[in-house]
Amino acid sequence: QLQLQESGPGLVKPSETLSLTCNVSGGSISSSGYYWGWIRQPPGKGLEWIGSMFYSGRSYYKPSLKSRVTISVDTSKNQFSLKLISVTAADTALYYCARHVSRGSSWEIDYWGQGTLVTVSS
Amino acid sequence: SYELTQSPSLSVSPGQTATITCSGHKLGDKYSSWYQQRPGQSPILVIYQDNKRPSGIPERFSGSNSGNTATLTISGTQPMDEADYYCLAWDISTVIFGGGTKLTVL
Repeated sequence: QLQLQESGPGLVKPSETLSLTCNVSGGSISSSGYYWGWIRQPPGKGLEWIGSMFYSGRSYYKPSLKSRVTISVDTSKNQFSLKLISVTAADTALYYCARHVSRGSSWEIDYWGQGTLVTVSS
Repeated sequence: SYELTQSPSLSVSPGQTATITCSGHKLGDKYSSWYQQRPGQSPILVIYQDNKRPSGIPERFSGSNSGNTATLTISGTQPMDEADYYCLAWDISTVIFGGGTKLTVL
């Protein structure tokens, strides 16, 4: 059974960089047909996709976040990471890592991590 | 940018059919998927490729997608189905979530 586990600081200061890592167990991050990505959910609000990456490097980002986001994959550690620069209070959210299934024009998320709360505050 | 619109809330009685809709321009030309999120839990996939159920999802969950609207139908709704439901579609290299529908079963 595939499992994803987020880790990283729960508190980040405004203007600094948010960094999270997702450890993948029970399956290989190099498997064909899967993207690895991040979704966030501000307290009491809906889901917002941040971006996704294939293990070989192809990536997609939400246009409004693209200038601040980097997702990277480390196949040797079977994990992937999120970096979000210049954070503000609006970036406070529960951050989920997830596996995306890509089949041509079909795109769904079949595994989710448990989520990690990141608060942006001085 | 592409948008998906969901009604914020829906209430049904146990045993009734819950119909949750997701609207977007020519959404029927894209694949949709649906996610259930119970309070305090991570979302789970309940429908993918418009009408397919993942293993372990009860048969009372079904989906359709045509025109501008994707629909999630829960037949014989149970109290355990009370949750937030989100639709998702893929458009021009971007994943789009609907705003979510809070389903109350009372």
